[in-house]
Amino acid sequence: LAKTTQPISMDSYEGQEVNITCSHNNIATNDYITWYQQFPSQGPRFIIQGYKTKVTNEVASLFIPADRKSSTLSLPRVSLSDTAVYYCLVGGLLKAAGNKLTFGGGTRVLVKP
Amino acid sequence: KAGVTQTPRYLIKTRGQQVTLSCSPISGHRSVSWYQQTPGQGLQFLFEYFSETQRNKGNFPGRFSGRQFSNSRSEMNVSTLELGDSALYLCASSSPASGRDEQFFGPGTRLTVL
Repeated sequence: LAKTTQPISMDSYEGQEVNITCSHNNIATNDYITWYQQFPSQGPRFIIQGYKTKVTNEVASLFIPADRKSSTLSLPRVSLSDTAVYYCLVGGLLKAAGNKLTFGGGTRVLVKP
Repeated sequence: KAGVTQTPRYLIKTRGQQVTLSCSPISGHRSVSWYQQTPGQGLQFLFEYFSETQRNKGNFPGRFSGRQFSNSRSEMNVSTLELGDSALYLCASSSPASGRDEQFFGPGTRLTVL
């Protein structure tokens, strides 16, 4: 499994854009990049998933360069409620991975007023 | 649709006791995975059940076991509790038909072992 490295913590202010970069130098051809968000005392929640280039949904964008050795989660105009831990996961699709997610340490994002 | 539910939400046990946690997946989801989350080790995969069969297992001792019923509800059991078993236990369900490659997590059961 590809190991991921992401910052331990980041601070931001309401209304700003938050970009979290995840390094995954050993990503395999069949691996996808997935991000989950976790609030205190809750289970993680899927945010976005991508394989290459750029993916955008209603809450975030995911930028993946051509070499796929890193990826950046972008949260536009954050609010206080975006304070959470964000996990970058790299691996095969759930079915191929036996419905097992491998979490790293995550990035603790604190949004200040 | 109702989300993943877990009971109980909080539990306090003493060393040596056993505990059973319950998880009801989203209706129609047949895969249920269990995770343990601690401050020291983070989120770790315990095992996964599909159609009443354990298909995947993490690196946990045999004291941790589980099962799944025909309605996809799942239970996990921890026997001979140790202080280090204090954790948030999360279950997650998934289905290829959900349209996204994601697991839906429940709120977890907070287990404290004294």
